[in-house]
Amino acid sequence: ILNVEQSPQSLHVQEGDSTNFTCSFPSSNFYALHWYRWETAKSPEALFVMTLNGDEKKKGRISATLNTKEGYSYLYIKGSQPEDSATYLCASIQGAQKLVFGQGTRLTINP
Amino acid sequence: DSGVTQTPKHLITATGQRVTLRCSPRSGDLSVYWYQQSLDQGLQFLIQYYNGEERAKGNILERFSAQQFPDLHSELNLSSLELGDSALYFCASSPDSGANVLTFGAGSRLTVL
Repeated sequence: ILNVEQSPQSLHVQEGDSTNFTCSFPSSNFYALHWYRWETAKSPEALFVMTLNGDEKKKGRISATLNTKEGYSYLYIKGSQPEDSATYLCASIQGAQKLVFGQGTRLTINP
Repeated sequence: DSGVTQTPKHLITATGQRVTLRCSPRSGDLSVYWYQQSLDQGLQFLIQYYNGEERAKGNILERFSAQQFPDLHSELNLSSLELGDSALYFCASSPDSGANVLTFGAGSRLTVL
């Protein structure tokens, strides 16, 4: 993996269902992995920064895991609500250099 | 209010012109990042400054330049503007070089006609 890749690009989920999506990043020289939530017409807002292999972070119904050896992170949302509709961005830093963002996963929660 | 201030919020100009976008980071933050978001594109990293020094460079065009001043505010200069430069330009700041989260400003929307 040379770039930061997120999948799927978009996702439609029924209200109340749980969901998850993936961020893949270069595993060599890993420094940190960021997750952001970006609502339409607003600025991205930070969810988590993760640095250690095996890290798990939680914020309310949203949690994330990190595997630095294989270069992936999962973001989980439990019991999706309409207000969870947003684009979720991950960003990776290799060797304390530039923070590179993935293209995002656009999540839509259907009431 | 995130604490990161970007001006102007909106800017309309013509091709060939030059504009300057300004960013004041959150109080205490030493790093400033500039990102470009074009239509239907993700956030493209342009450049990062840390405490006045250029720290990392992305796919920033030669027509674009930036600097961070002693008071830590930053300016992004865009010259010889082309239609394709129309985009939302975000500034973000952080206390250091990436182990801490970025705080984003509201963005400056540039329209080149």
